[in-house]
Formats: sequence, C-alpha cells, structure tokens
Amino acid sequence: DGGITQSPKYLFRKEGQNVTLSCEQNLNHDAMYWYRQDPGQGLRLIYYSQIVNDFQKGDIAEGYSVSREKKESFPLTVTSAQKNPTAFYLCASKMQSEGLGQPQHFGDGTRLSIL
Amino acid sequence: AQSVAQPEDQVNVAEGNPLTVKCTYSVSGNPYLFWYVQYPNRGLQFLLKYITGDNLVKGSYGFEAEFNKSQTSFHLKKPSALVSDSALYFCAVMNTGFQKRVFGTGTRLLVSP
Repeated sequence: DGGITQSPKYLFRKEGQNVTLSCEQNLNHDAMYWYRQDPGQGLRLIYYSQIVNDFQKGDIAEGYSVSREKKESFPLTVTSAQKNPTAFYLCASKMQSEGLGQPQHFGDGTRLSIL
Repeated sequence: AQSVAQPEDQVNVAEGNPLTVKCTYSVSGNPYLFWYVQYPNRGLQFLLKYITGDNLVKGSYGFEAEFNKSQTSFHLKKPSALVSDSALYFCAVMNTGFQKRVFGTGTRLLVSP
C-alpha cells in the first residue's frame, strides 16, 4: 500500500543536540511538506519542496533545515538553534501535476520532546 | 494574506444528532477549501474539498460542507453524529495563486453516547 512513513514515532533531544526526523513516501508525489503542530495553534508550515533538489522556507523555518536529494525522501533536522522544539511534527505530500486542488496526504507524525 | 478561523475550540453533540463545525476564511481571489480529521497521535486524513461548482460538497464518512461566498464560510456538517466521529477537525484554505495552504487551529468534536 502506498503512503507516507515518518520515523521515529517518538524522539527525545538533549540540549545542544541536532536531531533528524525521517519522512519517506512511495506515492510518487512531487511536493512534500513539513508542519509543526502545537496544542491550540493548528499546523504551521516549516519547509516545503516542490521538486527534487529544491525547497522553500515556510512560516517558521528558523532553527530547522531540510534536504530533498530524492523524490521519496524529505528529512527534517531540528537544530540546536530551535529553542522550543517540543511539538508534534507532521510530514505531508501532494501530487503537483494534478493541480493545486489536490489534497495533501499526511504521515502519522513524530513527537519530539526535550530531555 | 490568507487566514482561516475556527471559532469553536470544542463542539459537543449527542450521538444521532446533527453536527456542525464552523470555519470562516479570508483570502484574495477564489479559495480552495479543505476539511481534514485527526485522531489521537495520527496524521490528518482528508475529508472533502471545495474547488468550484456546487456549493454543497459531499465527502468521506457521511460528512458534507457548504461553501458560502457571501459569508466566507465553509462549515462542516453531518446529519447524524457517531461516537466514532469524535476527533480533531481542521479547516484549511489556499489561494489559487499560492502553493501553501493555511490551517485553522482545529475544533475538537466530542460525540456522547
């Protein structure tokens, strides 16, 4: 079955440590997205990528970095510069060629906490 | 700028009764509107969308939504609620000129037996 796989499901970060969240999709989707979800704040866009080797900052990119070396993969690194990283992180993807109105497909998220 | 408001943090309804989850939006130009549902510790699942055409949109699990351009609203409805409908619901809007979509803060739906 096609879908989006996020790993790990739970992740703990120590002070000053960088951590990387994995997102893999086998839907052959062109566009991929990273969102941060905090209680009562909905989803906020961190980074997005419409094609391989290209990505754009979202609304809250500071303290995060991404890469898009393969169509299937869009890993997110939470750097030590992100002072409040505790949140639920969601990866999503979408087929670009079918138009702007296509819904995004979401993974089941990674919950990041500070040790 | 695009924005979407979900004015109710929580909606409570008894099983078998109709439910409405409210969403209003602000966008320049024609909007693309979406509803998603999220169960605990899971990602969002797509329910339905409005792009153009009939103002009443039907989606998954018996949900529907009505697009009202004059009131800039896109309320989610279901004629008869189920306990299993209890979840967090998100409205999202996208301007046709942008690649990004903006999500509301979510409304928690609690359906009591």
